[in-house]
Amino acid sequence: QSALTQPASVSGSPGQSITISCTGTSSDVGGYNYVSWYQQHPGKAPKLMIYDVSKRPSGVSNRFSGSKSGNTASLTISGLQAEDEADYYCSSYRSSSTFALLFGGGTRLTVL
Amino acid sequence: EVQLVESGGGLIQPGGSLRLSCAASGFTVSTNSMSWVRQAPGKGLEWVSVIYSGGRTYHADSVKGRFTISRDNSKNTLYLEMNSLRAEDTAVYYCARAESSSATYFDYWGQGTLVTVSS
Repeated sequence: QSALTQPASVSGSPGQSITISCTGTSSDVGGYNYVSWYQQHPGKAPKLMIYDVSKRPSGVSNRFSGSKSGNTASLTISGLQAEDEADYYCSSYRSSSTFALLFGGGTRLTVL
Repeated sequence: EVQLVESGGGLIQPGGSLRLSCAASGFTVSTNSMSWVRQAPGKGLEWVSVIYSGGRTYHADSVKGRFTISRDNSKNTLYLEMNSLRAEDTAVYYCARAESSSATYFDYWGQGTLVTVSS
């Protein structure tokens, strides 16, 4: 299964907003509302930030938001903070003859 | 408090076998769907296997026929049996709990266990 497409890197200054895109196909991102986003700091396990396209788990800052248009999902982080610097991965269910879950290649966020 | 603790990783020769364990606490593995997700050194995440609460299992094409996910309800532990290991299976293996019945996202992750396949 091919990975979803994310930009390799994005950057922003503290207080700014950034958006990370995640592009798939009509068989995954575009076909289901099963897109999730994870934050991963170096040497740590991933942390769930957004699920079902735009839902935020309890405890996750409301500076994080998710959306989807067609085959592309997006994660927006507003009011950037130094601790937001991390790798971000999108994930989506893909329809097939069996269960399949895809991840994006990951995006390194640098807070300048 | 929900906790997942993986073990069983290590250095193994190509063609060898290894069994990973994931001990769960704070919830019951049999009432949740559970998955294994791996991350090769310096690379992104890759979903490996899922076991639904009802017991149905699925594996990624890259490991199908070589890896088997299972659980022991009495020990509240998830397993990943890995056979015919290849160099490309080298990765940190995470177990993760799926919060929803669709098993499409994971709300808790273990700290990971490193598997290195090399001669």
